[in-house]
Amino acid sequence: GEDVEQSLFLSVREGDSSVINCTYTDSSSTYLYWYKQEPGAGLQLLTYIFSNMDMKQDQRLTVLLNKKDKHLSLRIADTQTGDSAIYFCAENYNQGGKLIFGQGTELSVKP
Amino acid sequence: DTAVSQTPKYLVTQMGNDKSIKCEQNLGHDTMYWYKQDSKKFLKIMFSYNNKELIINETVPNRFSPKSPDKAHLNLHINSLELGDSAVYFCASSQEAVTDTQYFGPGTRLTVL
Repeated sequence: GEDVEQSLFLSVREGDSSVINCTYTDSSSTYLYWYKQEPGAGLQLLTYIFSNMDMKQDQRLTVLLNKKDKHLSLRIADTQTGDSAIYFCAENYNQGGKLIFGQGTELSVKP
Repeated sequence: DTAVSQTPKYLVTQMGNDKSIKCEQNLGHDTMYWYKQDSKKFLKIMFSYNNKELIINETVPNRFSPKSPDKAHLNLHINSLELGDSAVYFCASSQEAVTDTQYFGPGTRLTVL
């Protein structure tokens, strides 16, 4: 099936860590992605992880993948007000590159 | 230089009209896509083209017709616009269809009155 689920909202204080969670259904997905969308803007690729990896770190971003539970998370360390945006998880469904997106998690960072 | 560009950024039109949205990528990618984002921010793929050939055609009304004159361009033409077509349309591109990361354009906000 094609289904990616995320919680809709997350609110954190500046300087705290944020953890955005995602579950997916297609176990054959080769890549999983995190995109960021600021208000009125397009989708910016943040990071991605290959399905044979458990973890990927990129500066303040840490992606964890639990293939058994089909669970993906994005941790943002030292969250800043500029990180306020909607974060989309997506899986690469193996049919010619179709990306299946979650509903997006709106991250609100309070000073 | 913008990697994936779309024109126009905003499009306001009356019901029943025909309109086009243009997309160009200068990344040298072989595959291009159109996605629709509705008012609840839900994103869904509509079409994808690989080297000018249609490879994905989701359940989209045939009023929507993609056209790829060359592999750097994928335009979206919409006939007989309806209120429900109001959305943000995103173009994207990738080098390979299955394995490569997709890069998105800035979006075109279509409002049908």
